[in-house]
Amino acid sequence: SQQGEEDPQALSIQEGENATMNCSYKTSINNLQWYRQNSGRGLVHLILIRSNEREKHSGRLRVTLDTSKKSSSLLITASRAADTASYFCATAASGYSTLTFGKGTMLLVSP
Amino acid sequence: DSGVTQTPKHLITATGQRVTLRCSPRSGDLSVYWYQQSLDQGLQFLIHYYNGEERAKGNILERFSAQQFPDLHSELNLSSLELGDSALYFCASSSLGANYGYTFGSGTRLTVV
Repeated sequence: SQQGEEDPQALSIQEGENATMNCSYKTSINNLQWYRQNSGRGLVHLILIRSNEREKHSGRLRVTLDTSKKSSSLLITASRAADTASYFCATAASGYSTLTFGKGTMLLVSP
Repeated sequence: DSGVTQTPKHLITATGQRVTLRCSPRSGDLSVYWYQQSLDQGLQFLIHYYNGEERAKGNILERFSAQQFPDLHSELNLSSLELGDSALYFCASSSLGANYGYTFGSGTRLTVV
């Protein structure tokens, strides 16, 4: 079964707006990661946040992690048409060597 | 180019057949992970190899098998193929495991007809 569940399943915004995607998970984790996938292509690692961190920034990306609620959010500021893609959260559970992915959020940014 | 090479990019085959998907990890990465991506199941972890040894198994069918060779490339063998096996198959590699992130290949799109 999937460890992470993203919300919403799909998001449509205009260029320049901010996009927020959420991820919930079920078990204790070592870290949570976000990946981007352009249509039918390989996933690209965006950012990793460890279980002892609450917030992390990378360029226009901001990730938060709330381990008490077992949830994370990814904020993309000032979205561009090139940000159109599916975004996945992935969790590395404590004691496991592999990542478990959610089903993703499809983001459409219109010019 | 991510540095992870998967071949072939596309594969069309008939039910009951056997295919082999190949993955060359990024230079220096000892871990190879295989994932299956379908519309209804999302990204499903299949199997993890580290330096030639199997380290973890996920939702991998008995008809599927994999191995990692001494040069670290990996092959995923799918046999007795069914229509439901049609999916994107991704290979990812990592030097430091799940605690540091994966580098994915561009995938092999398998269509079973």
